Amino acid sequence: DQQVKQNSPSLSVQEGRISILNCDYTNSMFDYFLWYKKYPAEGPTFLISISSIKDKNEDGRFTVFLNKSAKHLSLHIVPSQPGDSAVYFCAVQSNAGGTSYGKLTFGQGTILTVHP
Amino acid sequence: DVKVTQSSRYLVKRTGEKVFLECVQDMDHENMFWYRQDPGLGLRLIYFSYDVKMKEKGDIPEGYSVSREKKERFSLILESASTNQTSMYLCASRTGTTYGYTFGSGTRLTVV
Repeated sequence: DQQVKQNSPSLSVQEGRISILNCDYTNSMFDYFLWYKKYPAEGPTFLISISSIKDKNEDGRFTVFLNKSAKHLSLHIVPSQPGDSAVYFCAVQSNAGGTSYGKLTFGQGTILTVHP
Repeated sequence: DVKVTQSSRYLVKRTGEKVFLECVQDMDHENMFWYRQDPGLGLRLIYFSYDVKMKEKGDIPEGYSVSREKKERFSLILESASTNQTSMYLCASRTGTTYGYTFGSGTRLTVV
């Protein structure tokens, strides 16, 4: 049973335009949400996160939106650049301590291609 | 700077071999994790460890075991490698009180 879903396997965007990556989750107990970016042959790197008490977090060109009632998370990249081309994974986490030991559950990933 | 190091970037092994994947972190993190990444399936948790000599099964532990004899080192063991274990393997670590992980660069394992 997939707890975290990224329904778009791929997204193609023109340089300078907005990229919107989406993620849906099923468990309302998740309290922290993250986006990771991954280039081929490298490990994922942390991009941006948001806690469940917020609905928006911004860091430069990257903004994450959280809609708790819809259990939906999105990442906006504005403006998109060719160097943003990578696989993007959303991830959810519950309870940094405790018995879950802060396990991250990942979505399937979305391949973003930004064309010059 | 925080580092998680995986000993091999690429490995090719034969079916039936016992395979060891090593991961070392220099951040004194309590928690360490092994994931595998496959196209269309995302990252799936194999095993994790919350302390030395402690381990917990993740979502797909079958065919794998782990060892954590020292805090900084977490090893993934494929008892008898099979072709369906061909994958990218990713190690990660975190402290017990923060969110998010630091990942290693990954090991691309091919079983032939």
